[in-house]
Amino acid sequence: DMKVTQMPRYLIKRMGENVLLECGQDMSHETMYWYRQDPGLGLQLIYISYDVDSNSEGDIPKGYRVSRKKREHFSLILDSAKTNQTSVYFCASSPGLGAQNTLYFGAGTRLSVL
Amino acid sequence: QQQVRQSSQSLTVWEGETAILNCSYENSAFDYFPWYQQFPGEGPALLIAIRSVSDKKEDGRFTIFFNKREKNLSLHIKDSQPGDSATYFCAASPNYNVLYFGSGTKLTVEP
Repeated sequence: DMKVTQMPRYLIKRMGENVLLECGQDMSHETMYWYRQDPGLGLQLIYISYDVDSNSEGDIPKGYRVSRKKREHFSLILDSAKTNQTSVYFCASSPGLGAQNTLYFGAGTRLSVL
Repeated sequence: QQQVRQSSQSLTVWEGETAILNCSYENSAFDYFPWYQQFPGEGPALLIAIRSVSDKKEDGRFTIFFNKREKNLSLHIKDSQPGDSATYFCAASPNYNVLYFGSGTKLTVEP
């Protein structure tokens, strides 16, 4: 069963706290992504990972960092979270290089930073 | 500046009607255009896609019409059903990894 799993599904943090969002996939996909979704803005790419320890910034990387130590696992870290990082975060994976690969999305993590 | 624009934030149609969702883009290098469907509480999922060499792609009740000269495309959902109520994202990409998503159109199909 092809699946992208995100944990946790819901998270409430205080401003200044560190946040760790986890994502796993069971399809051995090379490429993984982190997006955030905000009303009226759609999906914005934060980071893309082409494989283990091969990560690139997306359109809005400021305030975020990522870690990919295993192919099936991709983490998003917010050091000292800010209130404007309140959003829904989606992880996705795709089989390899080339935009015509389908992106498989997780169900999202709803993060509130108070 | 959004590279992919969806002009309508929301659209309501009656069951059985054809829903038409519009999308436009700026970058002439874009050559792949998928539409993703998202139900509440879920992540987006690929619905249908077209390449710029084609002007039409059909899959069941879903059809993409593509106009390369005008840099726009539309998703037609024929015989709309309440189960089609979702948010639809138009996306575009040149021939490498990154997909640029529009802001989405929330479709409501009233019974």
